[in-house]
Amino acid sequence: NAGVTQTPKFQVLKTGQSMTLQCAQDMNHEYMSWYRQDPGMGLRLIHYSVGAGITDQGEVPNGYNVSRSTTEDFPLRLLSAAPSQTSVYFCASSYVTAGRTEAFFGQGTRLTVV
Amino acid sequence: GQQLNQSPQSMFIQEGEDVSMNCTSSSIFNTWLWYKQDPGEGPVLLIALYKAGELTSNGRLTAQFGITRKDSFLNISASIPSDVGIYFCAGQLAVDFEKLTFGTGTRLTIIP
Repeated sequence: NAGVTQTPKFQVLKTGQSMTLQCAQDMNHEYMSWYRQDPGMGLRLIHYSVGAGITDQGEVPNGYNVSRSTTEDFPLRLLSAAPSQTSVYFCASSYVTAGRTEAFFGQGTRLTVV
Repeated sequence: GQQLNQSPQSMFIQEGEDVSMNCTSSSIFNTWLWYKQDPGEGPVLLIALYKAGELTSNGRLTAQFGITRKDSFLNISASIPSDVGIYFCAGQLAVDFEKLTFGTGTRLTIIP
């Protein structure tokens, strides 16, 4: 059971480059989210999706785009990387039902922008 | 954005000691989740709480959903070396059920 799979695990970008972080889940969850983790800041929500075709901004959306064409996949795009986007990125999928929710995380992508 | 105050930020304890940490907020939450993150890994869910006053255990871990619905507590009894890591609380706001808000984490270190 794969759960949430993120690729790549590590990435180095030059300022101005673009790239897509991939996230796939096999639990048939409707909800998917992207977080970034910086030292002392915990996990901050970038974008989230409540179902295929539906996305919304989180706490720190600037510089990132997302789309959700299928239930399984939720890629995160950096259009023009900046050093401030150096961080560890986590994708999560979750269910929300009858007042209950649990989120499951991938192993993360460590991104360095030079 | 919404903030969850998690304390302490770090703990240095000896093996066998008990550990307590908590999360507080000025907002009301419907759900509290506690996660553990090992180095280089994603957070892993430890305990989920859904009712005010609820007390739930997972082995040596016990967590409580505060009566006011604005706080939650995690206790670890008789700590062992594999307890080392960062512990996060996460809450689902009563008024915004689509998102989770995370605390800043408690880093647990066990002194040999």
